[in-house]
Amino acid sequence: NAGVTQTPKFQVLKTGQSMTLQCAQDMNHNSMYWYRQDPGMGLRLIYYSASEGTTDKGEVPNGYNVSRLNKREFSLRLESAAPSQTSVYFCASSELEGADTQYFGPGTRLTVL
Amino acid sequence: QKEVEQNSGPLSVPEGAIASLNCTYSDRGSQSFFWYRQYSGKSPELIMSIYSNGDKEDGRFTAQLNKASQYVSLLIRDSQPSDSATYLCAVRSVGGSNYKLTFGKGTLLTVNP
Repeated sequence: NAGVTQTPKFQVLKTGQSMTLQCAQDMNHNSMYWYRQDPGMGLRLIYYSASEGTTDKGEVPNGYNVSRLNKREFSLRLESAAPSQTSVYFCASSELEGADTQYFGPGTRLTVL
Repeated sequence: QKEVEQNSGPLSVPEGAIASLNCTYSDRGSQSFFWYRQYSGKSPELIMSIYSNGDKEDGRFTAQLNKASQYVSLLIRDSQPSDSATYLCAVRSVGGSNYKLTFGKGTLLTVNP
C-alpha cells in the first residue's frame, strides 16, 4: 500500500498562474483533508471532505478550490496563484471524519514568484 | 478562534534525559488530544493520543492531560538522537457535526549525543 500520495513534490509558479495539486489514498478512507504549513504557523486546514461527495471549508480557504473526484482522490486548485500561497501543502486522510489517526502524504512544496 | 499554544523552543536535551513538551488549548469543549512527530522535510505522523485526564504511557512516551487547566504534555524518557524532530500538539473539537483538528505551531526538539 502506498498510503497517501501527492503530486507534484515541488512546483514553482508565477503570480497569476493556476495549478492543481493531486492527492490519492489507497486505504479506503472516507475523509480527506488539505493543509498548508508555513514557518512559525503550524498546520492550517484549507478544506476537507468528510465523505465522497461532500467538501467543507477549513480555517484558510480563500484562494483555493477543491474537488473530491471519487473516494480515493481529492484535489486542490489554485486559480490565480499569489506569493502568499507559497507554502508546503499536505494532504491527509482518515477512516472517518473525527477518526483518531490522520495519515499524511509526503507534501508538495510550492513557491509562487 | 480556537487556539493551541506550544512552548516555542527550540528545546535541547542530552541523550538519555527526559524531554518535556507542553501544550495549552483555548476551547474547553475539546475532546481529544494528539501528539504528532515531524522530522525535517517529512510529513507529520501520529505518536500519541489521549482522551481523559491523567497519564497515558506508550513505551518511552507519556502523554498527560489536565482538562481543568486545559493543558496537555508529552514526556519522552531516555531521549535518543532519533527523537530529534518537531512535535506538534493537535486538539480535536466538535463544531456542529464537524470534527476539526487544530494544530499548534510545534516545538523543535534536539537530542544531543
